[in-house]
Amino acid sequence: DTGVSQDPRHKITKRGQNVTFRCDPISEHNRLYWYRQTLGQGPEFLTYFQNEAQLEKSRLLSDRFSAERPKGSFSTLEIQRTEQGDSAMYLCASSQGSSGNTIYFGEGSWLTVV
Amino acid sequence: GENVEQHPSTLSVQEGDSAVIKCTYSDSASNYFPWYKQELGKGPQLIIDIRSNVGEKKDQRIAVTLNKTAKHFSLHITETQPEDSAVYFCAARWDTGFQKLVFGTGTRLLVSP
Repeated sequence: DTGVSQDPRHKITKRGQNVTFRCDPISEHNRLYWYRQTLGQGPEFLTYFQNEAQLEKSRLLSDRFSAERPKGSFSTLEIQRTEQGDSAMYLCASSQGSSGNTIYFGEGSWLTVV
Repeated sequence: GENVEQHPSTLSVQEGDSAVIKCTYSDSASNYFPWYKQELGKGPQLIIDIRSNVGEKKDQRIAVTLNKTAKHFSLHITETQPEDSAVYFCAARWDTGFQKLVFGTGTRLLVSP
């Protein structure tokens, strides 16, 4: 069990550019989550997948944000036309619904928009 | 809407002392309460969790208590060590189809040698 893996760990981009983050959940975990965390705050929920279906989306997820999990395994989170306010750590997490649904987080992807 | 309040925001203790962090949740339907430890630049690491059908759970030096009537739960760390220094987050979730965790604002714990 290698844990939740996220890539890249750090990304610096210019305002207006698009960025994409990838998440590989723990093997056989059917549930995958994206959260966003800014300095000094707790993580905030963005979206949730069960297998390939996106079942919940937060109001925080504006139309510039899109998440996919095409085959029910890895997931991508894309931010289009980045803004300085998008600077944050983007956390991916996964769980197995049939095993108590304990949620495990990855190390996060830091985004800095300049 | 759902809300989780966490206190204190910072906590300084001497090595070997106990530390207690308290959280209050707003939605009585919440039934799962995990605690995460986050070190600088890293993702949250689950350290202990409790479900609403249990009042207390222990794992070595860490324990969590839940008072459903008062809607609050607490993390207790005994015999603190410098490596316990980190930010600790409580969270709450209700398993009625909504899978999101709502987090508290975090407690920065500093354990001095």
